[in-house]
Amino acid sequence: SYELTQPPSVSVSPGQTARISCSGDALPKQYSYWYQQKPGLAPVLIIFKDSERPSGIPERFSASSAGTVVTLVISGVQAEDEADYYCQSADSSNTYVVFGGGTKLTVL
Amino acid sequence: QVQLQESGPGLVKPSETLSLTCTVSSVSISSSFWSWIRQPAGKGLEWIGRIDTNGNNQYNPSLRGRVTMSVDTAKNHFSLKVDSVTAADTAVYFCARGRRAYSYGLNLYYYYMDVWGKGTAVTVSS
Repeated sequence: SYELTQPPSVSVSPGQTARISCSGDALPKQYSYWYQQKPGLAPVLIIFKDSERPSGIPERFSASSAGTVVTLVISGVQAEDEADYYCQSADSSNTYVVFGGGTKLTVL
Repeated sequence: QVQLQESGPGLVKPSETLSLTCTVSSVSISSSFWSWIRQPAGKGLEWIGRIDTNGNNQYNPSLRGRVTMSVDTAKNHFSLKVDSVTAADTAVYFCARGRRAYSYGLNLYYYYMDVWGKGTAVTVSS
């Protein structure tokens, strides 16, 4: 089955830039999406169609794609950004939704 | 503002059927796709499947045919059934609205979840 691979954890100091990667063979042919999940809450969509932000999502959240790797970038990280982040895409047949394993962002 | 609310038993016995409902507010259920996602405690998200009111559905093949989804347009809700549950089905279950659109650049339909319910915890235990 198709998999998206994320690092289990990323740590960054406040004000610095956090980068969370997500790799998958089908990513060059599929859009990627990112969700933020804080403890005890439902995931929130923060990036769709590789790099677009839903209304209400701060500009410090951005994303880029390069081949089989997509990267969520959080500029000027704030304490409130500490959360789990999940990438999502589709398999190569464009039939099934797939989530990455999630990355825990720790703000030091 | 679109809102989704999951409901159903919090405890299900092994080998029985897990049944959940997601009630949609402020938008017609006929307007979108609808998905179920689950998350075991301390683990990541697992997509269960999606459905629309035209009878189109896709289920995660990892659930091996145990899943059925349905839509009730009169009640503006959709439902999930998982048969023959085991402890591995213990999780928080989320429902979500799916957005689908066509990309001429990629020449495909793309899909993502933009509004989620708060989730409901289901434990499988005797």
